[in-house]
Amino acid sequence: QKEVEQDPGPLSVPEGAIVSLNCTYSNSAFQYFMWYRQYSRKGPELLMYTYSSGNKEDGRFTAQVDKSSKYISLFIRDSQPSDSATYLCASLDNYGQNFVFGPGTRLSVLP
Amino acid sequence: DSGVTQTPKHLITATGQRVTLRCSPRSGDLSVYWYQQSLDQGLQFLIQYYNGEERAKGNILERFSAQQFPDLHSELNLSSLELGDSALYFCASSAGGGDTGELFFGEGSRLTVL
Repeated sequence: QKEVEQDPGPLSVPEGAIVSLNCTYSNSAFQYFMWYRQYSRKGPELLMYTYSSGNKEDGRFTAQVDKSSKYISLFIRDSQPSDSATYLCASLDNYGQNFVFGPGTRLSVLP
Repeated sequence: DSGVTQTPKHLITATGQRVTLRCSPRSGDLSVYWYQQSLDQGLQFLIQYYNGEERAKGNILERFSAQQFPDLHSELNLSSLELGDSALYFCASSAGGGDTGELFFGEGSRLTVL
């Protein structure tokens, strides 16, 4: 079992839709949870960052962590064609020594 | 622009050859990470250096080696190249030891082995 799992997609939605991207993880020691966005042929860029459980909102993006179920979510409201990218979740333990990326979900937002 | 510079952007070489990929981290960042990304494997962690010292090792092959120099730039050496080594190689940097997971990635070096 991989430490961080993610549906690879692809996921296609119409412009304006609410997008829900999800990951599960297996390591209880993970405390930091990140979402990275990667455009085609580019390096990943940090999109959202949360510590422990709870929600974090930044504009149209909301990251949610439920440590009881080991579930990580990213919601994108009013999705735009410019949101078309691969979204990678990542987790890090409290010692900063085990940093694991999920395989990524490819999202296409159609105009 | 993340501030992380990688060279070369593209590289085409033959099996059995050796290549060196170079990374300059963001100004002030002490940690450098190397990742390999291929279509079927996702983003695979290779190795991390912190202030010149190896800090963590992932699934890095023995044919691969890396180092971080006193000026904090890093090089990834890939030798006895095989077709399966064709991939995007990313360098990332962080201010500290990566304790918070905030990594800044370069644009990557695309390696094609023929």
